[in-house]
Order: sequence, then C-alpha cells, then structure tokens
Amino acid sequence: EVQLLESGGGLAQPGGSLRLSCAGSGFILSSHAMSWVRQAPGKGLKWVSSISAGGGSTYFADSVKGRFTISRDNSKNTLFLQLNSLRAEDTATYYCAKGIESSASPTWGQGTLVTVSS
Amino acid sequence: SYELTQPSSVSVSPGQTARITCSGDVLTKRYARWFQQRPGQAPVLVIYKDNVRPSGIPERFSGSSSGTTVTLTISGVQVEDEADYYCYSAADNYQVFGGGTTLTVL
Repeated sequence: EVQLLESGGGLAQPGGSLRLSCAGSGFILSSHAMSWVRQAPGKGLKWVSSISAGGGSTYFADSVKGRFTISRDNSKNTLFLQLNSLRAEDTATYYCAKGIESSASPTWGQGTLVTVSS
Repeated sequence: SYELTQPSSVSVSPGQTARITCSGDVLTKRYARWFQQRPGQAPVLVIYKDNVRPSGIPERFSGSSSGTTVTLTISGVQVEDEADYYCYSAADNYQVFGGGTTLTVL
C-alpha cells in the first residue's frame, strides 16, 4: 500500500525555521514528482512547492520563494521541506502528496501542523 | 501566477443536482482536476483531465469544460457528498488550487 507520513511540524517563532519530513512507503519516492500543499486553519488548499521525478527541478509558490526549499533523500525514501524566515501567515497544516498533478490515483499524507507564533 | 475562481458555497437538497464552477485563464491551456475534502481528512481526487472519473468514484460525479470555465456536476446528491471541493490545475512551473466551494446538502 502506498503511504506518506509527514512529521516535523510544531511551534516556531517568527523568523525561525522548521524542517518537515515526508516518509514514503510502498513506492520509490525518487521516481515520482512530489508536492507540498498547505492549508491554513479554516482556509483552502494552497500549493507550496514541487520537485520533479528526477529531482533536478524544483518549483515554489511566490509566497514562499526564497524562504522554503524542497529536497529528498532517496536512500531514506523521504521528502523534505525546509521552512526558513517563518511568518505568522505560514501557519497551516502541511500535506505532502504524490502525483497530484498527473496521477489518476494521487496519494496524500495526513498532514503536519506548523504554527508560527511568538 | 495563475488564479482559479470558485463560488464559496453551493447548497442543494438530497437527490438534486449540484454544479460547482471554476474559472481561470489557465483552463484554456491545461486540464483541471477536482478534489473533495471532508472535514479532518486529506483531499480525494474525484475528476481529472476535466471529465475523467478515477476508479472508485461514484458515477454521479462528472466534469465538463468550456473555455475558461470547468464545472463539477454531482447528480442525485447524497448526504455524504457534503464536503469542500477544490478545482486544481498545473502549468509548467506552477500549480494552483481554486479557493474551494463548500457543498451543503440541506
């Protein structure tokens, strides 16, 4: 069974950093384009970032460009999202997802909550 | 960047037909997808390539496209269809969700 499990969320101060992880199982993560999508409390889904199947290309929403980076560790079958220079508006549940842009059966994790507050 | 615009809410009675629209210039060049999200759950794909239903999605869900607008139609709405629905599209270097539509089944 294909599964994604996020971790690393928590409370961070404005200007601080967090590193989110997304462990994949049941498939080879490096063979697929992967994305991060976030959802602020009571709000809609927002695409954050994506990485190509080969890992050579990364893409970011304008709101996080220059502050967030996406990467993966193929040996651990894990996707990462590094969040720097955090702002209150980055407070959200962060989902990792496989194949949301092209698959007929995309997979989503359960999400990890990031709260940015002093 | 691209934008997709949806109505914030749609209400129907059980058994009626619900139509949710999504508009954006990117839809003339790219396919749309529709995701259903129930409270506290991860999204589920209900339509892709504008009008294709994934395996396991009930036949009452259908999609259509015309110009800059795509429409999700739920025929014979059931109580369990009450959820938030998001349209989505992906351009070359960018992905975008619509603002979401809350479907209320009265």
